[in-house]
Amino acid sequence: ETGVTQSPTHLIKTRGQQVTLRCSSQSGHNTVSWYQQALGQGPQFIFQYYREEENGRGNFPPRFSGLQFPNYSSELNVNALELDDSALYLCASRGLGDRQYTEAFFGQGTRLTVV
Amino acid sequence: AQSVTQPDIHITVSEGASLELRCNYSYGATPYLFWYVQSPGQGLQLLLKYFSGDTLVQGIKGFEAEFKRSQSSFNLRKPSVHWSDAAEYFCAVGGSRGFGNEKLTFGTGTRLTIIP
Repeated sequence: ETGVTQSPTHLIKTRGQQVTLRCSSQSGHNTVSWYQQALGQGPQFIFQYYREEENGRGNFPPRFSGLQFPNYSSELNVNALELDDSALYLCASRGLGDRQYTEAFFGQGTRLTVV
Repeated sequence: AQSVTQPDIHITVSEGASLELRCNYSYGATPYLFWYVQSPGQGLQLLLKYFSGDTLVQGIKGFEAEFKRSQSSFNLRKPSVHWSDAAEYFCAVGGSRGFGNEKLTFGTGTRLTIIP
């Protein structure tokens, strides 16, 4: 149990729709990252938020966007869903203090299916 | 650019036998290295990590890994596997180049099957 919780657990959407996924970070963690894991693949980095600002982004189009709130929880928004967006979306939190590197703790993920 | 290669897609091991999962990385500086385990439909659980210091690191569930800079490797080992170790294993490299570069780059994973 990592203390990172994601909702919903499963979701089915239609192509072209928009979706919002949510993540509550572990207590004391101020940094949240999102990853996309397609079936049979390793997770791919989407972006990271530190103290409510995006401070790192992977190779994903602008229709993938996010937010981080003052309590450090986070949302991942995907617009204009495509079939290839079907994947497990993982949220990871870490505590960054004095810019020291710490390990990331992952939630259980949200399984998104686009039909 | 950082990258991770896990050359073995699928490994089958008998219960009680030893295990070694291979991981090779590419990174332009001293890397931060991780092994995660994932059960079907679940998130990732951290097994162990290497940041600096002793190149042989111990993790949870009896796993260990050795960082070999000369070989750009970080192989995972366990002396005696249990049926509950059946899962997908991911090696990852994390950025050590400062703030805003903490993203993890994962390998494609190795699926471990345990036979009685």
